[in-house]
Amino acid sequence: EIVMTQSPATLSVSPGERATLSCRASQSVSSNLAWYQQKPGQAPRLLIYGASTRATGIPARFSGSGSGTEFTLTISSLQSEDFAVYYCQQYNNWPLSFGGGTKVEIK
Amino acid sequence: EVQLVESGGGLVKPGGSLRLSCAASGFTFSSYSMNWVRQAPGKGLEWVSSISSSSSYIYYADSVKGRFTISRDNAKNSLYLQMNSLRAEDTAVYYCARPLVVPAALHPIDYWGQGTLVTVSS
Repeated sequence: EIVMTQSPATLSVSPGERATLSCRASQSVSSNLAWYQQKPGQAPRLLIYGASTRATGIPARFSGSGSGTEFTLTISSLQSEDFAVYYCQQYNNWPLSFGGGTKVEIK
Repeated sequence: EVQLVESGGGLVKPGGSLRLSCAASGFTFSSYSMNWVRQAPGKGLEWVSSISSSSSYIYYADSVKGRFTISRDNAKNSLYLQMNSLRAEDTAVYYCARPLVVPAALHPIDYWGQGTLVTVSS
C-alpha cells in the first residue's frame, strides 16, 4: 500500500500571500497524483490531476508540480475562499490512498 | 448536470448491517467505474471500494474487505454498498464518487455526492 504524507498539517497564511503545500508518496506514483479542496460540510472538489493539470473551472492561481514521490500544490495569492483543507491522492496503484490533509487557515 | 445522491445512512448497532444507495444522473452511468469514499468525523478521506463499469472488477480497502460488498445496477443508474458486521470505526460520512477518465489505468475523482452519515454505536 502506498502511504501519502502531507506537510505541514496546518498552514497559516495571510490573504494575498503564497501557500505551498507538500505531499510525499512512500513509493513512486509517477504523475498519477490529484489534489482536492474540502470546505466544512462540503464534499471534496478536484483541483489538480496528473500532478499538474488543473481540473475544469479551477482558477490559474492553483498549480501543481512534481512526479515520482514528491509533489507540491501552490496557491499563488490566497483568496478568502481558498481557506480550506487540501488532500493529495495517488491513483497509480490499488488501493487508492489519500494524504492526511493540510489545513490552510487565515493568519 | 452530473448528480450523485446517496441514501441509506443512519444509526446502527455494532455488528449490524446497512445498505447504502447512490442514485446517479446527468451522465451515462454504465460507462463509468464508481467509487465509495468515506470520512470519519473530523478526519481525512479514506477510499473504501471501487467497481468497474460492468462489475467485472471490484476492489476493497483492507479495512472493509470481507464485510462490505459493492454492487451496481446499470439499468437503474444506481450504486450500492452493503455493509455487514459494522464496527464503531466504520462511523463516517460515505460518499459516492465518479472518476474523471484520464489516460491512466486508474483515475482521480471529479464528482462527489453530498454524502450520507453512518453512525455505528450501541
